[in-house]
Amino acid sequence: GAVVSQHPSRVICKSGTSVKIECRSLDFQATTMFWYRQFPKQSLMLMATSNEGSKATYEQGVEKDKFLINHASLTLSTLTVTSAHPEDSSFYICSARDWGLADTQYFGPGTRLTVL
Amino acid sequence: EDQVTQSPEALRLQEGESSSLNCSYTVSGLRGLFWYRQDPGKGPEFLFTLYSAGEEKEKERLKATLTKKESFLHITAPKPEDSATYLCAVQADFGNEKLTFGTGTRLTIIP
Repeated sequence: GAVVSQHPSRVICKSGTSVKIECRSLDFQATTMFWYRQFPKQSLMLMATSNEGSKATYEQGVEKDKFLINHASLTLSTLTVTSAHPEDSSFYICSARDWGLADTQYFGPGTRLTVL
Repeated sequence: EDQVTQSPEALRLQEGESSSLNCSYTVSGLRGLFWYRQDPGKGPEFLFTLYSAGEEKEKERLKATLTKKESFLHITAPKPEDSATYLCAVQADFGNEKLTFGTGTRLTIIP
């Protein structure tokens, strides 16, 4: 099946620093990747849709300048949390759509971000 | 606005005790309904995609069904390793790839 990886799996940083999270599709090309955020015991909330070679589309209420998304290739998208604060602490999960397996989004293992 | 409601919120079953999880949805036009399994601290694992009312899909002890208003995930003779949160999501039929998720059913299978 389609495999999506994320790195790092967990990161702890100081308030005010920036953190970059990588999302890779390992065995397929993904023209579209998605970034989600999940709070404890809550469901996934879509933050943005990332298209290869173009600007990301952000959901209402998500700060574009705070959550920078780059989709530089068909297998890699990155999410940078800039000037992180404790309220940004969360579980961030990416997904990628495999066009060969129509419509299905495959998810990465997630990244636990803790901002001190 | 697309909405997905899952019930029950939590379900505890004895090993071997079959049951069903419900996913009710409202969407302008359904492109697909998805079931995922999520273990604590991990990303969702894809289970099924259903596209039209009357469709059914099976995988081991799981069977997913779809009507025009809801989907059921039937679990037959569950084992402790089936314990997880099961998420339902819908994709609307107007060129938008966005998934709208329900809040999930936390399933616990007691040995």
